[in-house]
Amino acid sequence: AQRVTQPEKLLSVFKGAPVELKCNYSYSGSPELFWYVQYSRQRLQLLLRHISRESIKGFTADLNKGETSFHLKKPFAQEEDSAMYYCALSEDSGYSTLTFGKGTMLLVSP
Amino acid sequence: DAMVIQNPRYQVTQFGKPVTLSCSQTLNHNVMYWYQQKSSQAPKLLFHYYDKDFNNEADTPDNFQSRRPNTSFCFLDIRSPGLGDAAMYLCATSSGEAIHQETQYFGPGTRLLVL
Repeated sequence: AQRVTQPEKLLSVFKGAPVELKCNYSYSGSPELFWYVQYSRQRLQLLLRHISRESIKGFTADLNKGETSFHLKKPFAQEEDSAMYYCALSEDSGYSTLTFGKGTMLLVSP
Repeated sequence: DAMVIQNPRYQVTQFGKPVTLSCSQTLNHNVMYWYQQKSSQAPKLLFHYYDKDFNNEADTPDNFQSRRPNTSFCFLDIRSPGLGDAAMYLCATSSGEAIHQETQYFGPGTRLLVL
């Protein structure tokens, strides 16, 4: 069975500092990986997906199959980045269910 | 514009008293999902519908049922809520038509309290 691990419950940084939210996964097939974000009093929403290879709000994530990781990175954190971040895995292409990690709370202080 | 709507936002029920949570969507998506999220835990998929086809997760308790009377609405029924069923319940949708990595669109959630 697939599993997603986010080792940090809380990550606290100062504004302007680099950020890396860790995500490791366990899956025997070819996974599709996502980062979802939940800002305070807002709903859970997609931040980015690995297949797009795009930068959203300055965040990037690279799928490393050798290390089975999909860490989320941003070179300079902003206060508005404070939120709950969930890494999620989908088994197959297209319509498929998601397995979520427990999430990491990112707090960016001024 | 709200695309996935969940009512009510907060629901209080008594131990053993049946309760229904509702979800509606304006996206005309084929797939609707129900997740349970307990404090400090990952959202856990309970079941999902692809159109009218119901797909139950293997470890979803029998106490949890779902109905999807039409494309727009999906209900989560808890037949006999226990104290352990207190959680946030999230509804999500996806189109079901993508080739790669579909986005799921989430509702705001319903927080269930069992007294």
